[in-house]
Amino acid sequence: DVKVTQSSRYLVKRTGEKVFLECVQDMDHENMFWYRQDPGLGLRLIYFSYDVKMKEKGDIPEGYSVSREKKERFSLILESASTNQTSMYLCASSSGQGNSPLHFGNGTRLTVT
Amino acid sequence: AQSVAQPEDQVNVAEGNPLTVKCTYSVSGNPYLFWYVQYPNRGLQFLLKYITGDNLVKGSYGFEAEFNKSQTSFHLKKPSALVSDSALYFCAVRDYNQGGKLIFGQGTELSVKP
Repeated sequence: DVKVTQSSRYLVKRTGEKVFLECVQDMDHENMFWYRQDPGLGLRLIYFSYDVKMKEKGDIPEGYSVSREKKERFSLILESASTNQTSMYLCASSSGQGNSPLHFGNGTRLTVT
Repeated sequence: AQSVAQPEDQVNVAEGNPLTVKCTYSVSGNPYLFWYVQYPNRGLQFLLKYITGDNLVKGSYGFEAEFNKSQTSFHLKKPSALVSDSALYFCAVRDYNQGGKLIFGQGTELSVKP
């Protein structure tokens, strides 16, 4: 089974802090994604990556950056956390083949105070 | 732009009754459609997908979905609901105009009562 592991289940940070959310997958998947989930809004794509060291902006990239130095790891960075970034963050990965499904981690619930 | 809509925020069903969770889509070109389920405090789990072929797609946990091109719908169904099916369900469409990313609906909360 594919395993996507997000390093923190719950995180509380202060406004203005730099925040790192880490995600690791163990299936040698080419594609990795960061979504945020908010009630009534579903999942919105922040950033995605199709290969090491490459990244593409999703629908809501403002206030975020990403890093993919190794194939298995995709990090989401909040440069200066704000209260409107309080949310559930979901990492996902998929193979590069055709219409393979996304495999999700269990999520990180981030609260910015 | 590609989009997905789930018209119901919540669906309530009695255990043993059939259930339907609705999804409609808007895409240019052939639609590639997915259903995911999310249990409390967990990530999303893949249920099933439609790419091409038979309009009735079977997936995990006894779920199936019916693709209807004329109605641009992809409704999720199960003949007999279980209390353990209570969860949040997401429909998604793959957008090949934007690098193949998945676009999700807003989710439907399914509640199955004994």
